[in-house]
Amino acid sequence: KAGVTQTPRYLIKTRGQQVTLSCSPISGHRSVSWYQQTPGQGLQFLFEYFSETQRNKGNFPGRFSGRQFSNSRSEMNVSTLELGDSALYLCASSQNTGGNTEAFFGQGTRLTVV
Amino acid sequence: AQSVTQLGSHVSVSEGALVLLRCNYSSSVPPYLFWYVQYPNQGLQLLLKYTTGATLVKGINGFEAEFKKSETSFHLTKPSAHMSDAAEYFCAVTPQGGFQKLVFGTGTRLLVSP
Repeated sequence: KAGVTQTPRYLIKTRGQQVTLSCSPISGHRSVSWYQQTPGQGLQFLFEYFSETQRNKGNFPGRFSGRQFSNSRSEMNVSTLELGDSALYLCASSQNTGGNTEAFFGQGTRLTVV
Repeated sequence: AQSVTQLGSHVSVSEGALVLLRCNYSSSVPPYLFWYVQYPNQGLQLLLKYTTGATLVKGINGFEAEFKKSETSFHLTKPSAHMSDAAEYFCAVTPQGGFQKLVFGTGTRLLVSP
């Protein structure tokens, strides 16, 4: 069974640009969550999607958005990039949306904003 | 809001020694508790989780953790460290009955010397 796949693995963007990151969950998983990991702030929850609906959102500005497709694949978008958006973005999938369900993480997309 | 405290950003042990990584949570109702491991340039891998039932939880790679409600703790242990255990370890919680939204501690880097 294939794991969670995130593309691309590495990305370099310029301030002010926008970026789209992709996440393919494990087959059969309907919940996809996104996290931002930085040295200063650690691991922070961005949002969770279940059956194409955003169920939960973290404390991030509106420049961060996401969506989920009918096949459970998810994308997150960051507009008007800032230097502080440089981070490892991790996607996690789980079978359902319950908090006691194991989340399986992808290897992440490392975004560098210059 | 729930929070997690991991004591010690770095823990150093010798190969074969006991590993003890500390985690305390802040919540009026016991949450679901997780330990994840992260190797360099990788995503997170679940070591073990506590949801309900037995308070001593066994995980992968010889790790275990004990949920102690009276101490609001969920410390991670391994009797004998191996070089391959060197990694960063994260304690995380989600609220009981809640959605997929992991709240992570700041992480503990485990260093294993020969």
